[in-house]
Amino acid sequence: DTAVSQTPKYLVTQMGNDKSIKCEQNLGHDTMYWYKQDSKKFLKIMFSYNNKELIINETVPNRFSPKSPDKAHLNLHINSLELGDSAVYFCASSKDRYEQYFGPGTRLTVT
Amino acid sequence: AQTVTQSQPEMSVQEAETVTLSCTYDTSENNYYLFWYKQPPSRQMILVIRQEAYKQQNATENRFSVNFQKAAKSFSLKISDSQLGDTAMYFCAFSITSGSRLTFGEGTQLTVNP
Repeated sequence: DTAVSQTPKYLVTQMGNDKSIKCEQNLGHDTMYWYKQDSKKFLKIMFSYNNKELIINETVPNRFSPKSPDKAHLNLHINSLELGDSAVYFCASSKDRYEQYFGPGTRLTVT
Repeated sequence: AQTVTQSQPEMSVQEAETVTLSCTYDTSENNYYLFWYKQPPSRQMILVIRQEAYKQQNATENRFSVNFQKAAKSFSLKISDSQLGDTAMYFCAFSITSGSRLTFGEGTQLTVNP
């Protein structure tokens, strides 16, 4: 029973391409998040959606666009990929903005 | 803005011994939550323990316990009877009650030696 799932787990692509990462949770949570973990393992919030409404939008390049088609899904689309976008991207979810449960992460490598 | 600091980038401990990981934070909020997450080599982020700021009693989960000192803004994690499977990066994290983002510390890499 996968609680928070992400696809793909690994993504290797070239600079300038557009790619998407998908996230789904089956926990019935109402809030979902995207975090970025850089090469030094530092984790930082990117976006958060509550009931499909964007509630957190950190200082992230507008090449990154989250989309939440419903409460159980939060996708991340990245346009014109750059070398600096290489990182691990984590999706997470929570109920009532409490403790967060994380997906397995997507390791994005831009070459 | 809230900040979380973990001053120990790396620590090691012998199997079966006890180790304490340090975390300090800064906030002007009175109500908030504190968490410890574990990230093993598999990269999965696993919630270890949580503490509500309004609770004076320190949280405990099996071999894991915290020492929460609200006035000092300190939130340390004690791991008793360390096991090889405890080898991981440990992150301290903070969340205010009315918000939803987790603010993470830099992490402490813990290695349990046989």
